[in-house]
Amino acid sequence: LAKTTQPISMDSYEGQEVNITCSHNNIATNDYITWYQQFPSQGPRFIIQGYKTKVTNEVASLFIPADRKSSTLSLPRVSLSDTAVYYCLVGPLVPFSSNTGKLIFGQGTTLQVKP
Amino acid sequence: DVKVTQSSRYLVKRTGEKVFLECVQDMDHENMFWYRQDPGLGLRLIYFSYDVKMKEKGDIPEGYSVSREKKERFSLILESASTNQTSMYLCASSLRGSDGYTFGSGTRLTVV
Repeated sequence: LAKTTQPISMDSYEGQEVNITCSHNNIATNDYITWYQQFPSQGPRFIIQGYKTKVTNEVASLFIPADRKSSTLSLPRVSLSDTAVYYCLVGPLVPFSSNTGKLIFGQGTTLQVKP
Repeated sequence: DVKVTQSSRYLVKRTGEKVFLECVQDMDHENMFWYRQDPGLGLRLIYFSYDVKMKEKGDIPEGYSVSREKKERFSLILESASTNQTSMYLCASSLRGSDGYTFGSGTRLTVV
């Protein structure tokens, strides 16, 4: 099972670019990498997903090296409202049986954006 | 926008009670999931379902069961609630092969 490791917490200031790295050494061939954002008392919200190289959307960029053993979520010019917990998720798009593929949420990274 | 609705935001139940947590999604998603979230433990998968009447155990199924009689509804059942099941319960859904899950707002269950 692909386990993820992220920093427990990070601090940043408004207007800075924030990069959060996730390690997933045991990622499988059919696994995708997905990042979620969670505010207190809310369910996680999908941010971005990728398989390899670079993916960009209106919110963030996701960088995945060729070996896919890690990934980096990049948030450009953060604001106070980006203060949240960010989860890196590794797993197949289609859940298989519990023996062959499970989606695992790591502990998440608590990002604190300061003014 | 896909909406995942959990029937209760807050719930207080007594030890030994049978508890039903309901989740409904309105976008014809095949996959549905139940997680619980606890401080220091993150989100843990309890059960998931990838089709009507299908269910698969997640990481921590003990003490729980699920029901998926209709595509849009996925129920989590605590057969006999215990205090260690006090938690935030999150339901999610996704299209088969989709690019992400949509989560509900969660149900904070307290068992006393």
